[in-house]
Amino acid sequence: EAGVAQSPRYKIIEKRQSVAFWCNPISGHATLYWYQQILGQGPKLLIQFQNNGVVDDSQLPKDRFSAERLKGVDSTLKIQPAKLEDSAVYLCASSLMGGPDEQYFGPGTRLTVT
Amino acid sequence: GESVGLHLPTLSVQEGDNSIINCAYSNSASDYFIWYKQESGKGPQFIIDIRSNMDKRQGQRVTVLLNKTVKHLSLQIAATQPGDSAVYFCAENGDTGNQFYFGTGTSLTVIP
Repeated sequence: EAGVAQSPRYKIIEKRQSVAFWCNPISGHATLYWYQQILGQGPKLLIQFQNNGVVDDSQLPKDRFSAERLKGVDSTLKIQPAKLEDSAVYLCASSLMGGPDEQYFGPGTRLTVT
Repeated sequence: GESVGLHLPTLSVQEGDNSIINCAYSNSASDYFIWYKQESGKGPQFIIDIRSNMDKRQGQRVTVLLNKTVKHLSLQIAATQPGDSAVYFCAENGDTGNQFYFGTGTSLTVIP
């Protein structure tokens, strides 16, 4: 079974630029999550989708971050404009029924904002 | 200035010894806890979970202990192997029950 795919793996941008990350969850997984993991910290949930609907986006900085999952499969996370403090690893995860014990994480995208 | 979270707790153990990783959780309303393992360059991987109606749960080479009185979790790894070297996170479900809040993590290094 293929795992969660993310691209790109690494991205370096200057502050005030825009960036987008892509995630392809495990086939058949209805729930998709985006996390932000700052160096030395645990992951923080940004947004959770159930199919193509948003379940929880309470910790998503909506003035600069946006995410979509239009067809209930792939998802993109965008930052516009980026700030220095957005430097982090952005992790995508998916699960079949939404249970955290069955949550599979992708390798992440490491973003560096200079 | 110093950034919060950069000073990751570390634990070094000899191969074959047992490891104990501790975690203090913050929300007394949490009733579900998970331990994750994160290897360098990879996403977190589920290890074991425990609900608040239990004090102890065992898996393969791992045991999780829960002390609700002092809001403390521990992860015990028996006969630690080099492949166990990673950062270990505990996570709690907090008030909402659905979203999980991760702790800072502990970096485990196994010395061959």
